Amino acid sequence: DAGVIQSPRHEVTEMGQEVTLRCKPISGHNSLFWYRQTMMRGLELLIYFNNNVPIDDSGMPEDRFSAKMPNASFSTLKIQPSEPRDSAVYFCASSSQGGRETQYFGPGTRLLVL
Amino acid sequence: QKEVEQNSGPLSVPEGAIASLNCTYSDRGSQSFFWYRQYSGKSPELIMSIYSNGDKEDGRFTAQLNKASQYVSLLIRDSQPSDSATYLCAVRYNFNKFYFGSGTKLNVKP
Repeated sequence: DAGVIQSPRHEVTEMGQEVTLRCKPISGHNSLFWYRQTMMRGLELLIYFNNNVPIDDSGMPEDRFSAKMPNASFSTLKIQPSEPRDSAVYFCASSSQGGRETQYFGPGTRLLVL
Repeated sequence: QKEVEQNSGPLSVPEGAIASLNCTYSDRGSQSFFWYRQYSGKSPELIMSIYSNGDKEDGRFTAQLNKASQYVSLLIRDSQPSDSATYLCAVRYNFNKFYFGSGTKLNVKP
């Protein structure tokens, strides 16, 4: 299994630009999670989906952030417009909803907004 | 608010010693508990999971769970410099929601 795939791995952009992060979960997993990690705030859950439906987006910092999951194998996290304080590592993770399954993390996207 | 608390460290232990990492959680409805290891610049990787009270051993790692006291711990025996990393405690609740602690940084000195 290829694991969780994220792209791009690194992104450098200028303030005000739109940023789109992409994620492909592990095949067969029906839950998908977006996290943001910074030194100051640690690992923060932004939003998660079960069966492509957003369940909890209370961690999304503001309206500039949006996430979609159009099908079971693809999700995007979009920031528009981006700001320097959005600079962080963004992780996508997936898991099976039932049982005792844990989450498996992708390699992350390191975002720098100048 | 469901909270997961960890001492941020750093915790320094000499090579070959036992490293003890602790985590407390606030909600008794917690279902499953996990320890992740995260090397600098890498993503978290699962090293242990535990679901029932007591101890669970896997190689040099032992996870301990005490639901009555609401804590979970991780012991690393015969610590190696390669164990130096940040260890994240995670708790799973209903509806597949996970909460992570802020992590404990472990330094194993040769």
